Amino acid sequence: EAQVTQNPRYLITVTGKKLTVTCSQNMNHEYMSWYRQDPGLGLRQIYYSMNVEVTDKGDVPEGYKVSRKEKRNFPLILESPSPNQTSLYFCASSLGASTGELFFGEGSRLTVL
Amino acid sequence: KQEVTQIPAALSVPEGENLVLNCSFTDSAIYNLQWFRQDPGKGLTSLLLIQSSQREQTSGRLNASLDKSSGRSTLYIAASQPGDSATYLCAVANQAGTALIFGKGTTLSVSS
Repeated sequence: EAQVTQNPRYLITVTGKKLTVTCSQNMNHEYMSWYRQDPGLGLRQIYYSMNVEVTDKGDVPEGYKVSRKEKRNFPLILESPSPNQTSLYFCASSLGASTGELFFGEGSRLTVL
Repeated sequence: KQEVTQIPAALSVPEGENLVLNCSFTDSAIYNLQWFRQDPGKGLTSLLLIQSSQREQTSGRLNASLDKSSGRSTLYIAASQPGDSATYLCAVANQAGTALIFGKGTTLSVSS
């Protein structure tokens, strides 16, 4: 089954404790992206990757890091989480951002205390 | 900068009604437009993808149209059902082809 898998689905952490949200897709997609969804602000792009070892900032990259060492994986790293990073995070993938249907993971709800 | 607006923000209809959701965007230079469905606490599911060269796409009871020149798209849902209750989001691929820009969605409630 074609899918994008995120882990963890739910996480409560404290300010400053590094965490990683993993994302994996099984569709051999080149393009992957991270979004955060906040009430009243909608979905905003954090980072994206056009292919292995190719990543770039989206609209709200501050406080986040990513890496793309393998085609299937695109982890999101919060080096020192802060309360304003409390949000619902989505990973997505497609053949290409401008050409293909975008597939989303189920989301990771993060709370930073 | 591309902006995507969806009207109305919320809509309640009785079962069986045909309905139209609206999406407008400020920059007509888009690669494609997608309509998504989001159920509470869930991820987004792509419903229809319209390439910039196309005028419409259909899937079952759903029909999406695209008018690039006027910066508008509509999602038509025929014979609505309670299972259609969800938030519907419209998104356009940006000029650089690196991101989808999302509207804030229309939350649809269909009562039986």
